[in-house]
Amino acid sequence: GQQLNQSPQSMFIQEGEDVSMNCTSSSIFNTWLWYKQDPGEGPVLLIALYKAGELTSNGRLTAQFGITRKDSFLNISASIPSDVGIYFCAGQNAGNNRKLIWGLGTSLAVNP
Amino acid sequence: EPEVTQTPSHQVTQMGQEVILRCVPISNHLYFYWYRQILGQKVEFLVSFYNNEISEKSEIFDDQFSVERPDGSNFTLKIRSTKLEDSAMYFCASSFGTDTQYFGPGTRLTVL
Repeated sequence: GQQLNQSPQSMFIQEGEDVSMNCTSSSIFNTWLWYKQDPGEGPVLLIALYKAGELTSNGRLTAQFGITRKDSFLNISASIPSDVGIYFCAGQNAGNNRKLIWGLGTSLAVNP
Repeated sequence: EPEVTQTPSHQVTQMGQEVILRCVPISNHLYFYWYRQILGQKVEFLVSFYNNEISEKSEIFDDQFSVERPDGSNFTLKIRSTKLEDSAMYFCASSFGTDTQYFGPGTRLTVL
């Protein structure tokens, strides 16, 4: 089945630094999504990308849908302590198949 | 803001027992999903449900699993005879159409 490779697996940064993480796939997706999960909670959608090449921002977060439709990155600028959590990418195909295929997650720790 | 709710937040059961996990999707949503996340691993798709029937299920969703929308608001996942390896966080999600899936906070299932 389709699989997503997400990297890095974990990051430990200083407050104020920028962060970048990415996902790649061997097959194409029609939609890329980035979620954040806090401990003991469900994933919360950060950014959704629907078109190849699309670059979308949500506050300090910026994500891009790769032109090949096989990759996406998420950038966080000027990190703050509340950015701590696990960030997941997820891919979705078109049509009736709406299931999300998930990456393994990037665990982010921010040192104040 | 509307949200997906799940009960209970934590369920402990003995191996072989039946469990029912409950979800209340966002009220005008039409598509419903169950995912699970084994501790420290990625989120995995279990099943999607639309128009009162399963639209897709994964290999994990075997005969021990079933889903039901017993009334206009609840969406349930039943595991008939739990196994140790069923221990995981179970997330319910809903979407209006082919767009964003919104996740509940999850039910932590512990099988002893």
